[in-house]
Amino acid sequence: EIVLTQSPATLSLSPGESATLSCRASESVGAFLAWYQHKPGQAPRLLIYDVSNRASGIPARFSATGSETDFTLSISNLEPEDFALYYCQQRKSWPPITFGQGTRLE
Amino acid sequence: RLLESGPGRVQVSETLSLTCTLSGGSINSYYWTWIRQRPGKGLEWIANVQYGGITTANYNPSLKSRVTISVDTSRNKFSLKLSSVTAADTAVYYCARDHCSGPHCYSPYYGIDTWGQGTTVTVSS
Repeated sequence: EIVLTQSPATLSLSPGESATLSCRASESVGAFLAWYQHKPGQAPRLLIYDVSNRASGIPARFSATGSETDFTLSISNLEPEDFALYYCQQRKSWPPITFGQGTRLE
Repeated sequence: RLLESGPGRVQVSETLSLTCTLSGGSINSYYWTWIRQRPGKGLEWIANVQYGGITTANYNPSLKSRVTISVDTSRNKFSLKLSSVTAADTAVYYCARDHCSGPHCYSPYYGIDTWGQGTTVTVSS
C-alpha cells in the first residue's frame, strides 16, 4: 500500500497570503496524483488531476507541481472560501487507492 | 449527478446497504467508487466497480472480507454492502466517479471528479 504523508497537518494563514501544501508518497506514484478540497458538510471537490492539471472551474490561484514521490499544491492570494481541508490521493498502485491524512488550512 | 440512499442507522453486527443513483450520463465505463470518512478521520477508499461489458470489482484489502460492491446497469445504480458492522463503521459514506483513461486506468488520470453529497451512517448497539 502506498502511504501518502501530507505536511503540515495544519497551516494557519490569512486571506491574501499564499499557501504551500506538501504530499510525499512512500513510493513513486508517477503522475497518478490528485488533490481535493473538502469543506464540512460538503462533498470533496476535485482541484487538481494528473499532478498539475486544474479541474473544471478551479481558479488559477490553485496550482500544483511534483513528480514521483514529492508533490506540492500551492494556493496564491488566499480567498476566505479557500480555508478547508486538502487531501492528496494516488491511483498508481492499487488497491487500495489511498489518500493523505489531510492538511487543514485555517 | 450522484445521489446516495440508504438507512442512516444500522445495528451492530448487521449489514450496511447503500445505493448510489446516477442521473445523467451512463454507468458504462468509469470506476464507480465508495469512499468514507469516519469521525475525525480522513478519506478512506472502500471499493470500486467498473462495467464495460463485464463487471470488475476491486476492494480495499482492509475491508475486503466484509464488502460487496455491485452495479445495476439497467437502473444506472451501484451499491455497497458492508457486513458485520461495528461502531468503527460509523461514517459519512460517499459515492463517486473515478475517471480513468480506459479500463486499465492508464495515464492521464483524471481524478475522482464527481461525488455524491454523502450520507451519514451510524452504527448503534
